Amino acid sequence: QTVVTQEPSFSVSPGGTVTLTCALSSGSVSTSYYPSWYQQTPGQAPRTLIYNTNIRSSGVPDRFSGSILGNKAALTITGAQADDECFYYCVLSMGSGTWVFGGGTQLTVL
Amino acid sequence: EVQLVESGGGLVQPGGSLRLSCVASGFTFSSHSMHWVRQAPGKGLVWVSCMKGDGSFTAFADSVKGRFAISRDNAKNTLYLQMNSLTAEDTGVYYCTRGPTTVASPADYWGQGTLVAVSS
Repeated sequence: QTVVTQEPSFSVSPGGTVTLTCALSSGSVSTSYYPSWYQQTPGQAPRTLIYNTNIRSSGVPDRFSGSILGNKAALTITGAQADDECFYYCVLSMGSGTWVFGGGTQLTVL
Repeated sequence: EVQLVESGGGLVQPGGSLRLSCVASGFTFSSHSMHWVRQAPGKGLVWVSCMKGDGSFTAFADSVKGRFAISRDNAKNTLYLQMNSLTAEDTGVYYCTRGPTTVASPADYWGQGTLVAVSS
């Protein structure tokens, strides 16, 4: 079974830039996997940030951007703010209408 | 304004069944694929199932295949998830999500979720 892997945790300084990644247990992530990214604060429903690799969802600031970096999908946050501190999840299309989420990255801003 | 409101969660015994509902508003329901995503307590998101806008296609995660069924009533703007043979591993918050029409993605909007607890 294909596993989607994210960094369990990451830290960034306020105002800094951080890139979170989303990888496959076997193979490379490409735009054909239609990567999406979500943000979740504990106790709240997730919020969509990015879909189809690099399309920002409505209302998402341009501090958030998606891309393919090497063999992984990537979410880059520039000018990190205190309220960016939460969990980030990626999801990849596995074909036949199915999707697999990564395990999530807990981002700390300090 | 797009709204997704889930209901039907609750406490159920192992081996039992439950049907979740998701009432949608603020958009043309039949034009969108709809998905269910779940989250066990303290764990990450897990994609569960989806159905195409006209109901012609469905897909399931391996962990629920054969036990869960997804359906929709476009006249009532409602998505359903029938869950059978429930186990403790099915415990969690179940979110209803809307798939965007122009790109492949399981979610552009999310509901607030409904909690399912499987326990004796």
